[in-house]
Amino acid sequence: TQLLEQSPQFLSIQEGENLTVYCNSSSVFSSLQWYRQEPGEGPVLLVTVVTGGEVKKLKRLTFQFGDARKDSSLHITAAQPGDTGLYLCAGGSGYALNFGKGTSLLVTP
Amino acid sequence: EPEVTQTPSHQVTQMGQEVILRCVPISNHLYFYWYRQILGQKVEFLVSFYNNEISEKSEIFDDQFSVERPDGSNFTLKIRSTKLEDSAMYFCASRALTYGYTFGSGTRLTVV
Repeated sequence: TQLLEQSPQFLSIQEGENLTVYCNSSSVFSSLQWYRQEPGEGPVLLVTVVTGGEVKKLKRLTFQFGDARKDSSLHITAAQPGDTGLYLCAGGSGYALNFGKGTSLLVTP
Repeated sequence: EPEVTQTPSHQVTQMGQEVILRCVPISNHLYFYWYRQILGQKVEFLVSFYNNEISEKSEIFDDQFSVERPDGSNFTLKIRSTKLEDSAMYFCASRALTYGYTFGSGTRLTVV
């Protein structure tokens, strides 16, 4: 099983701050995806990255895939309370997705 | 926006009973999955299904589990004889040829 380590596990910040969360593995993935999960709901796809070094932007969220395709980061600029949630990374190299445990983000007004 | 629909949203069953969890994937998707998430733990892969057969399964997906796509629209997960440790959220997901998955809202299974 390819393990994905996410850090930090918990993050509590104030509205307007910037933050970066990380997803690391010793394995190479053909693709890496970021999801956001609300309590009692299924994960919702934010982005997929497939090329080493790739950077994708989704409004205030910037996703980067490492050159070696083993790690990724998610940077949020000027966080808002609506960004509160569990952010999951998931890597695939076959049919299955392996998920990290997630970073639980709390943004307070 | 197309969505994956799961029913029921919550199922309570007695240990040893059979349960069937139902999913309607997005209609033009080709790959279908079941994942589970035990409370407080990470999302875990159970099984993938493509071209009317299982394409990959995890160690969790033992002989007590089975999947079917009986009529071209529904996708079911059956647990033959439930155990207490089967209590979890079960998520169905589907995808087209692209990488991104669409997950359903899940079925919370409680085995008592």
